[in-house]
This record gives sequence, structure tokens and C-alpha cells, in this order.
Amino acid sequence: DQQVKQNSPSLSVQEGRISILNCDYTNSMFDYFLWYKKYPAEGPTFLISISSIKDKNEDGRFTVFLNKSAKHLSLHIVPSQPGDSAVYFCAASGQTGANNLFFGTGTRLTVIP
Amino acid sequence: ETGVTQSPTHLIKTRGQQVTLRCSSQSGHNTVSWYQQALGQGPQFIFQYYREEENGRGNFPPRFSGLQFPNYSSELNVNALELDDSALYLCASSRIRTGNTGELFFGEGSRLTVL
Repeated sequence: DQQVKQNSPSLSVQEGRISILNCDYTNSMFDYFLWYKKYPAEGPTFLISISSIKDKNEDGRFTVFLNKSAKHLSLHIVPSQPGDSAVYFCAASGQTGANNLFFGTGTRLTVIP
Repeated sequence: ETGVTQSPTHLIKTRGQQVTLRCSSQSGHNTVSWYQQALGQGPQFIFQYYREEENGRGNFPPRFSGLQFPNYSSELNVNALELDDSALYLCASSRIRTGNTGELFFGEGSRLTVL
């Protein structure tokens, strides 16, 4: 049973434009959400996170939005750069700091120069 | 500061064999978690070790076992390998398991192929 879902396996965006990656979850007990980026032949690297007490968290070009009522979060990348091309995983946990993260299946982002 | 390192990077086993994967945690980290990433899927939590004891386990059978050593390095052992065990196995380390941001530091993974 997939508790974290990323329904778009891939996304292509022109350089300089906005990339929006979406994620849905089913477990209302999740209260901490993270995005990881993965390049080929590398492990996932942490990108940005958000606690359920917030609805937005921003870090440079990256912003994560959380809509608890819809059990939906999104990652916005503005402006998109070719180096952003990677697989992005959404993850959730049931308590802040818990290490048993539930991951989505990932979205492959391609930023076209 | 050294990152998380895993060995071996690739290996091939046959069904029924046993395998041991190794992980060295990032310096200063005392918690290690193991994840299995099957092709086309996201990482799935296997288990976590803290202070050399298993502290949380995902939906994996007992033939998946692990160890954490005093220097916080870790092993993942899988017995009686099955074809479905073919996957990328990721080790992740972090500091104390509560009160942090939940950020995990992953290694590059060990790709296991079971024939």
C-alpha cells in the first residue's frame, strides 16, 4: 500500500521556467515531509523539508507547499536550471526526526537548456 | 567530514545464497537506516539501528538482519536470497533520531542482482 504517491513519473521544463513537482499522501498521521534529489549513481540528497504546522517553506530557488486538508504537497523550483535535472523523491514521516521515511516513486525532472 | 560509504557497489548472487552489505556512517552520526529501492520504485525502509540495537523495522521478513558496530558502521545481511531481492540497497545515517530535521544522509548504494 503506497502511502506516498508521485503520480507523474517524468516532467520536462525549459530552463528558466518554473518546475512544479507534486506529491500526495494518504496517512493523516504524517507530520513531516521532505524532498530528496537523486542523480544517477549517487544516493538521494536532502533538498528541503516542511513540518505539518507550516504550509510553506522556502530555501533559495526551492519552495515546498503543504496542503494538509488535501494531503498534498508540491515542490516549486524557480528558475529551473539544467543542473536540476534529476529524480525527485517526496518522503514523509510520522514524527519529526523519525528515520523511517515513506518515499514516493519519484519524478524524473529534465530541464531543457 | 567523510560521507556515507557503502560496499560493495555491485554484486551478483544466486537464489538461496546469503549476502552481507556494509556501510560506514558519516562522522558524528549515531543512527543508521537501511532502505531497499527496487527498480522504478522509491526507497523502502528496512530497519534502523541506534546504539547497536534495532530500533524500528519495516515490512521485511526476518531473513533481513543487521548489525551496528561501536564505531556506528553497519551491516545488512540477507539470507536465502530470492529473485525479488534484486534491488539497490541504500544506507543512510543521521544524528540522534529525535529532535533533528529528519534529514538522512545516504550512501551511493549497493546494487544487488539475484539470478
